[in-house]
Amino acid sequence: AQTVTQSQPEMSVQEAETVTLSCTYDTSESDYYLFWYKQPPSRQMILVIRQEAYKQQNATENRFSVNFQKAAKSFSLKISDSQLGDAAMYFCAYRSGTGTASKLTFGTGTRLQVTL
Amino acid sequence: DAGVIQSPRHEVTEMGQEVTLRCKPISGHNSLFWYRQTMMRGLELLIYFNNNVPIDDSGMPEDRFSAKMPNASFSTLKIQPSEPRDSAVYFCASSFYGARDQPQHFGDGTRLSIL
Repeated sequence: AQTVTQSQPEMSVQEAETVTLSCTYDTSESDYYLFWYKQPPSRQMILVIRQEAYKQQNATENRFSVNFQKAAKSFSLKISDSQLGDAAMYFCAYRSGTGTASKLTFGTGTRLQVTL
Repeated sequence: DAGVIQSPRHEVTEMGQEVTLRCKPISGHNSLFWYRQTMMRGLELLIYFNNNVPIDDSGMPEDRFSAKMPNASFSTLKIQPSEPRDSAVYFCASSFYGARDQPQHFGDGTRLSIL
């Protein structure tokens, strides 16, 4: 079974600074997808960014980018120019790319605080 | 475009009562997922459907929980009888199964409180 580990329960960053959230995963599969979801206090689950395992290029979405290290099974999220609205819980998630196993396996989340 | 719609947004009821949570997936999506979020266990998958057929219900905690998807546009998660430990936020999500990189889109969740 796949597992996803987020070792940082809480992180803090000053506005306009950069922060990196860590995520590691364990799998024996070669075909899979990785996601970062954001959950603000409103409790919505908002997709931030996704990465396909067979793509070597790191995904980028505006201020959000990932550092995908497939051999190390690491998938960290970098938030540049942090804004107050970035304050939320961030969840890393894994999804198999094969068969009917399309469910998401989530990490335990990292709570990000953004300070002035 | 309408996203995943869940109802009710909040539910407070007494233990022993039947609870029904509802979900309308995004039109055209053919996979539907029910997740539960608690402080202790985080986000965990309860059950998911592909093309209205339950694929994996191994996450359903007990026989008190049941889920149905009678058609492509509606699903229910039922708890009968409810217990205080069922208190959680329940999320429904949908995606298009068959397209490799389609992510899951989540509803706003139902916060369930069992007294």
